Order: sequence, then C-alpha cells, then structure tokens
Amino acid sequence: DAGVTQSPTHLIKTRGQHVTLRCSPISGHKSVSWYQQVLGQGPQFIFQYYEKEERGRGNFPDRFSARQFPNYSSELNVNALLLGDSALYLCASSRSRLTGGGTEAFFGQGTRLTVV
Amino acid sequence: AQSVAQPEDQVNVAEGNPLTVKCTYSVSGNPYLFWYVQYPNRGLQFLLKYITGDNLVKGSYGFEAEFNKSQTSFHLKKPSALVSDSALYFCAVRVVYNFNKFYFGSGTKLNVKP
Repeated sequence: DAGVTQSPTHLIKTRGQHVTLRCSPISGHKSVSWYQQVLGQGPQFIFQYYEKEERGRGNFPDRFSARQFPNYSSELNVNALLLGDSALYLCASSRSRLTGGGTEAFFGQGTRLTVV
Repeated sequence: AQSVAQPEDQVNVAEGNPLTVKCTYSVSGNPYLFWYVQYPNRGLQFLLKYITGDNLVKGSYGFEAEFNKSQTSFHLKKPSALVSDSALYFCAVRVVYNFNKFYFGSGTKLNVKP
C-alpha cells in the first residue's frame, strides 16, 4: 500500500507569491490534516479536513487555506508568502475523524518550502 | 490548554546502552499519547501510542514507553540503543474534542555514538 504522498518535495518561492501544496492520503483514509514544522520546532496544526469539509483550523492567518477533493486528496494554499512561511509542511491522513483520539495519523514526507 | 514538553533538546548515549527520552504533558481529560520519529528530510514515523490499559506500551524497533499518570509523563525508552536510532523524536498528545489534532513537543535529538 502506498503511504501518504506529498508534492512537490521541495519548493522555492519569492515573497508575495502564492503556493499550492498537494497531498494524497492512504487509500481508505478520509481525514487529512496539515501541519507546519518550522526548523527546530515541533509540527503545528493548520487544518483538518474530513469528507471534504473543514473540521478544524489552527492559529494561522487567512492567507492559509485548504480544500479536500472527492477522492480525499487535499491542497494547501498559501497566499502572499512571507519569509516566515519557510517550513516543512506535513500532511497526515487518518482513517476517520470520528475514530477517536486513539488512532494514529500517518504522515507524508513533507514539502520543504523556502521563501526568499 | 493542552501542551507537551520535551525538556531535553538533545540526548547522547553510547551504542548498546539504554536510552530514555523524556516527555511530560498537560491535557484536559484522558490523554492519548504518541511518539513519532523523524529522520533527516523525512516526515514523521509512528512509533507507539498509549490509549488506555497497561502503562507500559511497546512499539516499533524495540522502543517502549511508560505512561505515568501521577507525574503526567510518557517517557520513551529502549534497553539497548543502536546507531541507527539517531534521529529526532517527538512526543505528541491528541485531543479528541479538539478536531483530533496533535499537540507536539519541540522534539529531542537522539545521538547514539558507536
């Protein structure tokens, strides 16, 4: 079985530009979450999507948005990029949002975004 | 508020010696606790979790963790470290009533020397 796949793996953007990151969850997983990991820190929650609807949002500005498609894949969009947006963006999939907190999430390898 | 603390930025241990990576947590209600490992330029790999039951949980690659409710701790352990265990380790707590999101600690870099 393929794991969580993210694309691209690396990306360099200029301040003010827009970026789209993509994630394909494990087959059968309906929940996708996005995390931002700044160098030297633990991942921070950005969004959770389940059944194509936003179910949770972290403390990130409105420049961050996301969506989930009928095949449960997801996109994370960031507008008006700032230098501080440079980070590893991780996508995690789980079988069900409603499974309960005891279900582990499976993470992709991440997209390394560098804003210059 | 939910939080996870990993008090050591780095842990150094010789190969073959036991290792411990510390984690304490603060959460409302019953905690669901996890350990993940991250190798350079890679995502997070699940190691083990505590949901309920036996306080000692066993996970992948010979790792285990001990849940201590009174001390609100969930330390990661391994009886005999390998050089290949060198990586970044994250403790996380999951909150059921808050979108099932993970709260991660800041990470502990484990260095196992030959």
